[in-house]
Amino acid sequence: GAGVSQSPSNKVTEKGKDVELRCDPISGHTALYWYRQRLGQGLEFLIYFQGNSAPDKSGLPSDRFSAERTGESVSTLTIQRTQQEDSAVYLCASSSPGPVGAFFGQGTRLTVV
Amino acid sequence: QKEVEQDPGPLSVPEGAIVSLNCTYSNSAFQYFMWYRQYSRKGPELLMYTYSSGNKEDGRFTAQVDKSSKYISLFIRDSQPSDSATYLCAMIHGSGNTGKLIFGQGTTLQVKP
Repeated sequence: GAGVSQSPSNKVTEKGKDVELRCDPISGHTALYWYRQRLGQGLEFLIYFQGNSAPDKSGLPSDRFSAERTGESVSTLTIQRTQQEDSAVYLCASSSPGPVGAFFGQGTRLTVV
Repeated sequence: QKEVEQDPGPLSVPEGAIVSLNCTYSNSAFQYFMWYRQYSRKGPELLMYTYSSGNKEDGRFTAQVDKSSKYISLFIRDSQPSDSATYLCAMIHGSGNTGKLIFGQGTTLQVKP
């Protein structure tokens, strides 16, 4: 596709449920990032995939959070046993090896009730 | 101390004003510097990127990097109401031009007609 695509765009879930968020990067982009943005806050780094290298998971806030990416394609961010504090917009971005920065999707707005 | 510091504002200016947005950082290893613009309820979009020190101009926007002071700036000339958004600085953490993107908190700008 032309840009980074994220689904769903909105998700309301009950506390304690698991959720899966999906990101389709721009074709050919080897790097993929996940960020969390709480209301009125900046972007909090979660995880970074670069090609076939081991992902940088240093930003995952707890073991309830995990992410996978197969090759240079789709990535899934999973949050288990969701808590109200997980409510935020989850943003995915991808970039090519060139020095042009990352391109973001529109985000998934997660609300835990 | 955060690696990247950015005053969240808000910053309010009249239409036509010159706007100066700034970030400071602590890691001297940062080489690539970017500015993103984020409209409300949208994903960030890449405005400009700069490698190492110096200036880069694109239309009404000028990005400036002073590595000796660990200080970067974005200037907007002849500001327009459509420039009202949150502006985020970002830096690549790691060698080369790909790696973990570290963001500032973002500065909210309002340009009044």
